[in-house]
Amino acid sequence: GAGVSQSPRYKVTKRGQDVALRCDPISGHVSLYWYRQALGQGPEFLTYFNYEAQQDKSGLPNDRFSAERPEGSISTLTIQRTEQRDSAMYRCASSLMSARHTEAFFGQGTRLTVV
Amino acid sequence: QQPVQSPQAVILREGEDAVINCSSSKALYSVHWYRQKHGEAPVFLMILLKGGEQKGHEKISASFNEKKQQSSLYLTASQLSYSGTYFCGTVYNNNDMRFGAGTRLTVKP
Repeated sequence: GAGVSQSPRYKVTKRGQDVALRCDPISGHVSLYWYRQALGQGPEFLTYFNYEAQQDKSGLPNDRFSAERPEGSISTLTIQRTEQRDSAMYRCASSLMSARHTEAFFGQGTRLTVV
Repeated sequence: QQPVQSPQAVILREGEDAVINCSSSKALYSVHWYRQKHGEAPVFLMILLKGGEQKGHEKISASFNEKKQQSSLYLTASQLSYSGTYFCGTVYNNNDMRFGAGTRLTVKP
């Protein structure tokens, strides 16, 4: 399909392990956003890319979280030394231009469970 | 920077109207509205830009007061399919998009 694709859809990991979550945006979309969404809550901003440049990472909770988008397309959100409090739905969204002007399309998300 | 939405929840009968409000403490460039159904990804409804341009859903309307940094979503003659959680996404000059906590809308027959 032509939508935003995230993988894996579900990830169960043991506390202390590292995980990498992948986001494949819609082809040609310049902007890519990462969010974390707890059940019953709104998406919580993590970070944002414009092409390959990480424009804002102020929402990353701590230095265990990092993200990259090396070629301006696929992005990876990495969580090191996972903790139980990291369990959540992680979503990415892409936008043709910036979200200032165009709609964002969300992926189905990765449900992360840390045990 | 997270916008504030109200009300938190609304219950309607089919055919009734509802208004959902979104306000920001910081100057906005644009406002997005999304609807999310249980277990699904948020789906885009509408974007409102500075200067009054709107793009989006045919049957749902919205307003954007730039000076007050507020937006409202108007759901008229509600249908069962309107049920879900509505989020506003506020976009600032730095292109960040932040979301409110959501308004849960339930439409009953």
